[in-house]
Amino acid sequence: GQNIDQPTEMTATEGAIVQINCTYQTSGFNGLFWYQQHAGEAPTFLSYNVLDGLEEKGRFSSFLSRSKGYSYLLLKELQMKDSASYLCAVKGGDYKLSFGAGTTVTVRA
Amino acid sequence: IAGITQAPTSQILAAGRRMTLRCTQDMRHNAMYWYRQDLGLGLRLIHYSNTAGTTGKGEVPDGYSVSRANTDDFPLTLASAVPSQTSVYFCASSDSTDYNEQFFGPGTRLTVL
Repeated sequence: GQNIDQPTEMTATEGAIVQINCTYQTSGFNGLFWYQQHAGEAPTFLSYNVLDGLEEKGRFSSFLSRSKGYSYLLLKELQMKDSASYLCAVKGGDYKLSFGAGTTVTVRA
Repeated sequence: IAGITQAPTSQILAAGRRMTLRCTQDMRHNAMYWYRQDLGLGLRLIHYSNTAGTTGKGEVPDGYSVSRANTDDFPLTLASAVPSQTSVYFCASSDSTDYNEQFFGPGTRLTVL
């Protein structure tokens, strides 16, 4: 089976940095995805890692360590619109996505 | 149409009734998926289709069926709805099953009473 863990909630101040950790234990590995989901809306793709290291895309960066079964999503220069749930998802050996329960990030002024 | 559409947006259904949730994509993606999202549990895969004419079972398939008669449409049917099927249902598609990200529809909020 698949086991994906991420914190339930995080709170940060506008302009700050927040790091959302994700640990996983899966049957096979074919990549790790991060999605953003605003309340009442569909998830939207943020990032994809398949090799170890850091992928940077504007204010968002994602890191992967396959040997440790660990990833993080880094959100820099937080804005109010970044208040959302962030979903960690792993593509296993069967190429199906398994999702964590999501981390709700609240950005305060 | 642009992307993925789902219908209805929301529905209240009596237990025991049959219900079909519709999903249509115009991106010519080969693979399509149905997920349910419940508080504290995240998204769970119900059924999937790697290409038109084929379907497979996901993590929570019981009580649901799907068909994939063509590339664009992937309806999800609840033969006899039960209250535990109250959830938000998302349809998604991807160009292939390997390394491409999935694109999600806007979701259907279903309440079974």
